[in-house]
Amino acid sequence: NAGVTQTPKFQVLKTGQSMTLQCAQDMNHNSMYWYRQDPGMGLRLIYYSASEGTTDKGEVPNGYNVSRLNKREFSLRLESAAPSQTSVYFCASSEIYGGEAFFGQGTRLTVV
Amino acid sequence: GENVEQHPSTLSVQEGDSAVIKCTYSDSASNYFPWYKQELGKRPQLIIDIRSNVGEKKDQRIAVTLNKTAKHFSLHITETQPEDSAVYFCAASENSGGYQKVTFGIGTKLQVIP
Repeated sequence: NAGVTQTPKFQVLKTGQSMTLQCAQDMNHNSMYWYRQDPGMGLRLIYYSASEGTTDKGEVPNGYNVSRLNKREFSLRLESAAPSQTSVYFCASSEIYGGEAFFGQGTRLTVV
Repeated sequence: GENVEQHPSTLSVQEGDSAVIKCTYSDSASNYFPWYKQELGKRPQLIIDIRSNVGEKKDQRIAVTLNKTAKHFSLHITETQPEDSAVYFCAASENSGGYQKVTFGIGTKLQVIP
């Protein structure tokens, strides 16, 4: 049982480049999330998908887009990367009505 | 929206001593309070959680207490061990529009000194 798998683990981008972070879960969870983690700021929600076919903005959505491809997969896209987007990104999933959030292993993104 | 404050931001204890991390939240609608442990370079993982209809929960060396009136909850680790060294995040969660809306604290870096 893999849980939540996200790729890649590391990425270096130049300012202005685009990329997509992939996330997949095999726990049949309805809700999926993308967080970014920065020193001293905890985990901040970028976008979430309450269920297949829906997506909504979180706390820090600017500069990002998401796609809930199906129940298993939830991708995060940076259209034009900026140095301020240097961070560690975590995908997570959970049941709809509360309970443990399961996190992927994280993607360390550096924008130069 | 919900605001979760967590303190201290760093905590050093001697092995065998207890550690306490405190969090406050602002939204009385929050009804689920998980605690996550994140070891260096790894993903956050749930260590204990508590729901709003319970005042205290214990699991071996860790316990969580919740005071709904005061809107604060705390993590207690007894008989600390070096492997307890990690960053701990509290969170407050409510069911909102069909999804679990979770707000995290900024984290507490716990160092257990052998």
